[in-house]
Amino acid sequence: GENVEQHPSTLSVQEGDSAVIKCTYSDSASNYFPWYKQELGKGPQLIIDIRSNVGEKKDQRIAVTLNKTAKHFSLHITETQPEDSAVYFCAASLGSTLGRLYFGRGTQLTVWP
Amino acid sequence: GAVVSQHPSRVICKSGTSVKIECRSLDFQATTMFWYRQFPKQSLMLMATSNEGSKATYEQGVEKDKFLINHASLTLSTLTVTSAHPEDSSFYICSAPGGRGDTQYFGPGTRLTVL
Repeated sequence: GENVEQHPSTLSVQEGDSAVIKCTYSDSASNYFPWYKQELGKGPQLIIDIRSNVGEKKDQRIAVTLNKTAKHFSLHITETQPEDSAVYFCAASLGSTLGRLYFGRGTQLTVWP
Repeated sequence: GAVVSQHPSRVICKSGTSVKIECRSLDFQATTMFWYRQFPKQSLMLMATSNEGSKATYEQGVEKDKFLINHASLTLSTLTVTSAHPEDSSFYICSAPGGRGDTQYFGPGTRLTVL
């Protein structure tokens, strides 16, 4: 099955700085890569996703890049704010309705004011 | 975006009792829903895939007789933890595919505490 590795496990940045979280996957058949933000005691919230026919996607302060050849994808958050503090999970799937998500271990992001 | 709800948000029960958790897709239909369990500071672990009109598919190591799943309609799946024990205490989260079909939307989770 698919194996998703996520780094770093913890990340601390100063408010206004950028944060980057990286993930690698093992199954070249995976073609859908979402990122989720989870606040304490809540369910994961989809913040951005990318499909394998695209190399980069941006939504305001958040961007995701995908390198299919190297099988890795990254989340970039610019101009970080304290409310960005949360656990971020990357995931990979085969991209069908029945396609289960394979999650990374998560990154605890802390943004210091 | 698509909304998934869960009920209850928190439940405390005594050891040996059964607890039912509901997962609903509020503004879309879902023939498939997924149930996860999450321990503190850990990632989401897929327990089972709930299929409307047929039996659930369980992940390896998950006891199907202990975690009963019923996908009663296109908007409702339930997870029943039978004869709960303290080691079943965890955060249970469901998800359903919406939008383009591959996008998974998660419920807010249910915190189960077994005394």
